[in-house]
Amino acid sequence: TQLLEQSPQFLSIQEGENLTVYCNSSSVFSSLQWYRQEPGEGPVLLVTVVTGGEVKKLKRLTFQFGDARKDSSLHITAAQPGDTGLYLCAGGEGGSQGNLIFGKGTKLSVKP
Amino acid sequence: GAVVSQHPSWVICKSGTSVKIECRSLDFQATTMFWYRQFPKQSLMLMATSNEGSKATYEQGVEKDKFLINHASLTLSTLTVTSAHPEDSSFYICSAQNKETQYFGPGTRLLVL
Repeated sequence: TQLLEQSPQFLSIQEGENLTVYCNSSSVFSSLQWYRQEPGEGPVLLVTVVTGGEVKKLKRLTFQFGDARKDSSLHITAAQPGDTGLYLCAGGEGGSQGNLIFGKGTKLSVKP
Repeated sequence: GAVVSQHPSWVICKSGTSVKIECRSLDFQATTMFWYRQFPKQSLMLMATSNEGSKATYEQGVEKDKFLINHASLTLSTLTVTSAHPEDSSFYICSAQNKETQYFGPGTRLLVL
């Protein structure tokens, strides 16, 4: 069974601080997706990474896929209250089914 | 692009009744849609994979006779919770696959009294 472990589970920081969220597995994934979910809403896709070692930037967010495609990280620079939410990583198993394996999420709270 | 809608957004029903939730891909066709449920402060748990024109594939532990899935067109999948009980109360989220990516609906909050 493929598992994705996210850390930390909870993170509470002050506005302006930097943070990194990690997503680790012993399995290889064909792709890795990061989502942000706010209470009572569905997850919103932030980024998809597919190549080992790939780095993608989305404004203050930097996503990296590990060289072996087993792990990923999300780094947020100068966090803002609007970044508050549940961050989920999901590994794609590939193939026509497109199943995703979700991590348990990192609940981020950014205080003004 | 890649917008997925769900209806209703929330529903309250009496124990023993059935509830149907719709999931629509608004601007793309989705051969495959997925149904998840999410309990408070937990991650998403895949319930079933819905393929247009064929039977859904259910995850282990999910009763196919209780959670009926119909994917009659490339833009619509429905999940019917039959004879709902309070333990079925949860947040149900669908997603639709577009190329390599899943796009999620806004979710349906179900409360069974």
